[in-house]
Amino acid sequence: ETGVTQSPTHLIKTRGQQVTLRCSSQSGHNTVSWYQQALGQGPQFIFQYYREEENGRGNFPPRFSGLQFPNYSSELNVNALELDDSALYLCASSLAGDLNSPLHFGNGTRLTVT
Amino acid sequence: QKEVEQDPGPLSVPEGAIVSLNCTYSNSAFQYFMWYRQYSRKGPELLMYTYSSGNKEDGRFTAQVDKSSKYISLFIRDSQPSDSATYLCAMMGTNAGKSTFGDGTTLTVKP
Repeated sequence: ETGVTQSPTHLIKTRGQQVTLRCSSQSGHNTVSWYQQALGQGPQFIFQYYREEENGRGNFPPRFSGLQFPNYSSELNVNALELDDSALYLCASSLAGDLNSPLHFGNGTRLTVT
Repeated sequence: QKEVEQDPGPLSVPEGAIVSLNCTYSNSAFQYFMWYRQYSRKGPELLMYTYSSGNKEDGRFTAQVDKSSKYISLFIRDSQPSDSATYLCAMMGTNAGKSTFGDGTTLTVKP
């Protein structure tokens, strides 16, 4: 069973730039969720993708956007980066409709905005 | 006020101690309750997953849910230095992808 993998592991960007983070789902999972984890806080839900469409969004502005591909891999894009966007970005996969399938996380991408 | 409040810690205990980690919540729509363990520089790892009120045991770990009080706990028996990590409680309705997390409790188990 292949777990959730994310790339890159670390990234440094300048305020105002754009960034793309990537995620490969755990094999057999068809739903991808993205979370932001600021230092000392729990993960905060950004959005979820199912069947290549956004299926719910947390309290994040439109400059946070995503994609899901036919192979269930996913991208998180953040435009016009702000200093407060510095955080660990976590991708998690699950199987839609399976209530015995809670989230399985990758190890995240640590983004630093200077 | 946050939907999920977790005892902040940090917590430091000697090896072999019993550890109690706690969360309260306000949203009655939460039906499923999870505990994740997160080591430094790693993603959260699922430890326990429960649905109903009551206790669920898995080795040295026991998860307890009291829906009437909106209170959940994780107990760790015979704690080991390898248990040193941040523990996150999480809750969801019927969509795992939209889980709500506490802010975590950092545990250190000293040899």
